[in-house]
Amino acid sequence: QSVLTQPPSVSGAPGQRVTMSCTGSSSNIGAGHEVHWYQELPGTPPKLLIYGNNNRPSGVPDRFSASKSGTSASLAITGLQAEDEADYYCQSYDNRLSGFVVFGGGTKLTVL
Amino acid sequence: QVHLQQWGAGLLKASETLSLTCAVYDGSSRSYYWSWIRQSPGKGLEWIGEIDHNGETKYNPSLMSRVTMSVDLSQNHLSLSLTSVTAADTAFYYCAEHGSGGCFTVWGQGTMVTVS
Repeated sequence: QSVLTQPPSVSGAPGQRVTMSCTGSSSNIGAGHEVHWYQELPGTPPKLLIYGNNNRPSGVPDRFSASKSGTSASLAITGLQAEDEADYYCQSYDNRLSGFVVFGGGTKLTVL
Repeated sequence: QVHLQQWGAGLLKASETLSLTCAVYDGSSRSYYWSWIRQSPGKGLEWIGEIDHNGETKYNPSLMSRVTMSVDLSQNHLSLSLTSVTAADTAFYYCAEHGSGGCFTVWGQGTMVTVS
C-alpha cells in the first residue's frame, strides 16, 4: 500500500492528451513538499521526468508538464506518442515519524 | 555526468544478509546525498533509506531495524546491508543520487536480488 495514490492505468491514442493523478495527504504533498515524477520504461531504471512540482530536466520534451494543488499532483502528457508508453511514478516526502521519502504505486500508460 | 555502477550478490537464501555496493563515477559529484530504492517484481518503488557524505543516515521506518548504509568517499563507494532477508525482499535494488528538492537525478543500473 503506497503512501501516495496513483491510478493503476491510463490510456490514450497517439496525439491525445492524458493526465494522471497523485493523491497524498496533509503529511506529504499537503504539507508543502515538492512532488517529482519519473518515467520507467521496461527494463530500465526510472528516469526523472519532472522535479520540484513542475520543472523539466534538460532533455525532457515540453509535452510533459505537471502541477500540484492541495494534497494532490497531476502529470499531463500532450501529443501522446508510442514511445511514451511506460510506468509513471510520483514521489514526495512525508513528515511522519522522522520523515521519509514516499512514492506512488505507479500508473501504467498505454498508448492505444 | 555522474554515473552510478552497482554490484552485489543476486541470489540469497532466507535469513542471509543482502550486501550491495554502488560506485559513484564522476570527477566531482554534484550531490552529497544518495539513496537506495527497491522495486519488487510487478510492484512500485520503495525507498529504503539515504546517506550523506558525512555518513549520516535516514531509513525507511518499515526497514530500519534491518538496514545499514555506509559511504566510503575515498573510494566513492556506497554500501547497503539488509539483514535477515525473506522472499518479500526479492526486488530490483537501485542506488540513486539526490538532486534539488529531494528528487533522484541519477540512478544505478539496478541489481536484481532474489531470496529463495
